[in-house]
Amino acid sequence: KQEVTQIPAALSVPEGENLVLNCSFTDSAIYNLQWFRQDPGKGLTSLLLIQSSQREQTSGRLNASLDKSSGRSTLYIAASQPGDSATYLCAVSGNAGNMLTFGGGTRLMVKP
Amino acid sequence: GAVVSQHPSRVICKSGTSVKIECRSLDFQATTMFWYRQFPKQSLMLMATSNEGSKATYEQGVEKDKFLINHASLTLSTLTVTSAHPEDSSFYICSASRPYSGAADTQYFGPGTRLTVL
Repeated sequence: KQEVTQIPAALSVPEGENLVLNCSFTDSAIYNLQWFRQDPGKGLTSLLLIQSSQREQTSGRLNASLDKSSGRSTLYIAASQPGDSATYLCAVSGNAGNMLTFGGGTRLMVKP
Repeated sequence: GAVVSQHPSRVICKSGTSVKIECRSLDFQATTMFWYRQFPKQSLMLMATSNEGSKATYEQGVEKDKFLINHASLTLSTLTVTSAHPEDSSFYICSASRPYSGAADTQYFGPGTRLTVL
């Protein structure tokens, strides 16, 4: 059974810092990996999706990497802003259109 | 494109009543929809996978007679919490899988429904 772990569970940084969120998964036979953002009491916003054949994806200040063989992914946020404060979730899919297994999330607080 | 809506966004009900939550894909046809539950400060846990025109597949530990799922059309799935109790209070989120969308079979998530059972 796939298990997804995110470290750290919570993170507080001053504005402007670059930061890295970590995600690890136990079964490397994944179809893709996604990073989501969730604001309190809200649904999920997809940030980046990495196919199993890819090694990284970039969108603005966000960069996600994937090392499938070692079961790891990182989300890099450059020049963090208070508006980045949210919970970040990573999730892996076993095959096309299949269920997602979510990590526990990292609660990020960026202080002005 | 690829917008998923949920209704209602928030519901408060008395213990013992049933509550129906709707999940709609607004601008695409979704052959598969997923229902998740999220308890406070916890991650999303998959409850069931819903395929249009067939019975839902429930995850281990989820009571199918308590959480009734109907995927009547390619754009609508409903989750009914029957005889709700306070322990059913949670944030329920649906997602819809867009088929044949190219390289990424992305799941698109609804905004969630906050259920509070008194």
